[in-house]
Amino acid sequence: QVQLVESGGGLVKPGGSLRLSCAASGFTFSDYYMSWIRQAPGKGLQWVSDISSSGKYTNLADSVKGRFTISRDNAKNSLYLQMNSLRAEDTAVYYCAREYSSSSEAADHWGQGTLVTVSS
Amino acid sequence: EVVMTQSPATLSVSPGERATLSCRASQSVTTNLAWYQQKPGQAPRLLIYGASTRATGIPARFSGIGSGTEFTLTIGGLQSEDFAVYYCQQYNDWPTFGGGTEVEIK
Repeated sequence: QVQLVESGGGLVKPGGSLRLSCAASGFTFSDYYMSWIRQAPGKGLQWVSDISSSGKYTNLADSVKGRFTISRDNAKNSLYLQMNSLRAEDTAVYYCAREYSSSSEAADHWGQGTLVTVSS
Repeated sequence: EVVMTQSPATLSVSPGERATLSCRASQSVTTNLAWYQQKPGQAPRLLIYGASTRATGIPARFSGIGSGTEFTLTIGGLQSEDFAVYYCQQYNDWPTFGGGTEVEIK
C-alpha cells in the first residue's frame, strides 16, 4: 500500500533553516508528481510546492518563493523541502502528498505530517 | 489567486440525514475541483476529484456536482465516521483550498 512518511520537522528560530524529507513506498515514485502542503495550527490548508515526476519542473507558492526549494531523489524514493529564512508564519504541519495524475493537483495520498515551529 | 469560499462554516446534522456542503470559486475552475475530509489529528483524505469522480475506496454516499464556480458535496445518510471537516480545493490554477465546513453531530 502507498506510504508517505515525513521527517525533519522541529523547533527553529526565525531566520533559521530546516530540511524536510518524505520517504515514499508502495508505488512507483518516479511516475508521480509530488507536493508539499501545509496547515497552520487550527487553520486551513495551503499548497506550498510541487515537483514533476522527473524533478525537472517545480512550482512554489508566492509566500515561499526565494526561501524554499523542493527536490526529489527518485533513486531513493524521497522528496525534500529545503526551508531557509524561516518566519513565524511558516509554523505549520507540513504534509507530503502524491498527486493523482500529472495533469491534476489533487492529492490522493498524504503522509501524517511533520510539525515545523518557528519561534524564538 | 483563485479564492475558494465554503458554506456554511458549520453544519449540524443528525446521523442518517443528508448533508449538503457548498463551495464557490472566485473565477471559473471548470471541473478542476476536489473535496477532502479531515478528522482531528489526521491528514486529509481525498474524496472527490474532477468535481464528481469518487476517489478509490470512497463510499457511494459521497457525491459531488458542479462546474465553473459553483460546487456541491452531498453526503447521503450520514454515518458516525462522517463527522469531520471538509475542504474543497481547485487545481485549475495554482491550487487553493476553501476554509472548510465542519459537519457536526446535531
